[in-house]
Amino acid sequence: DTGVSQNPRHKITKRGQNVTFRCDPISEHNRLYWYRQTLGQGPEFLTYFQNEAQLEKSRLLSDRFSAERPKGSFSTLEIQRTEQGDSAMYLCASSLLVAGELFFGEGSRLTVL
Amino acid sequence: GQQLNQSPQSMFIQEGEDVSMNCTSSSIFNTWLWYKQDPGEGPVLLIALYKAGELTSNGRLTAQFGITRKDSFLNISASIPSDVGIYFCAGQSGNTPLVFGKGTRLSVIA
Repeated sequence: DTGVSQNPRHKITKRGQNVTFRCDPISEHNRLYWYRQTLGQGPEFLTYFQNEAQLEKSRLLSDRFSAERPKGSFSTLEIQRTEQGDSAMYLCASSLLVAGELFFGEGSRLTVL
Repeated sequence: GQQLNQSPQSMFIQEGEDVSMNCTSSSIFNTWLWYKQDPGEGPVLLIALYKAGELTSNGRLTAQFGITRKDSFLNISASIPSDVGIYFCAGQSGNTPLVFGKGTRLSVIA
């Protein structure tokens, strides 16, 4: 399978715990994006990387959130001290073109109890 | 910030009927994309539009990039049960990240 891969697919955690999600993009894609989606809403942009550089972060990305793409390949999204409001689907996408199509992974669903 | 208004929010149709949905923006976009999302899965790209006035088809799906560059339309002809899902429009201007609408939930009655 050469698509975008995300894991874990599901994560249930208690409030206050830290969680980390991993995304493996399509191999030749140099841009990697993180979006968050809550029930009944479209995906909302969080941050994106071009190669290993994090170029933009949304205001949605509070100080408890950090994303990395250390070698310009896979990326991790960490949420520290989770809150119930963090419960959502976290989507990763990658693209080859600067202005073009994003290809999404299957998402990582987070439930904070 | 940029906002996309997608309509209708939901629709129920009979199998075999044609479907139309649209998306409008408060600002101009250079790219319009249409995605379909099934429950528990990530969005899947259906059609990409890059030029005002462009009309593009993908099987039974046809999408258009409005000439004002502030809207886009998606049509599905002869709907089938597997068309069920949530359809999202997404727009982009310049180098900004894609902005998504809230989706149109399509239900098909056999």
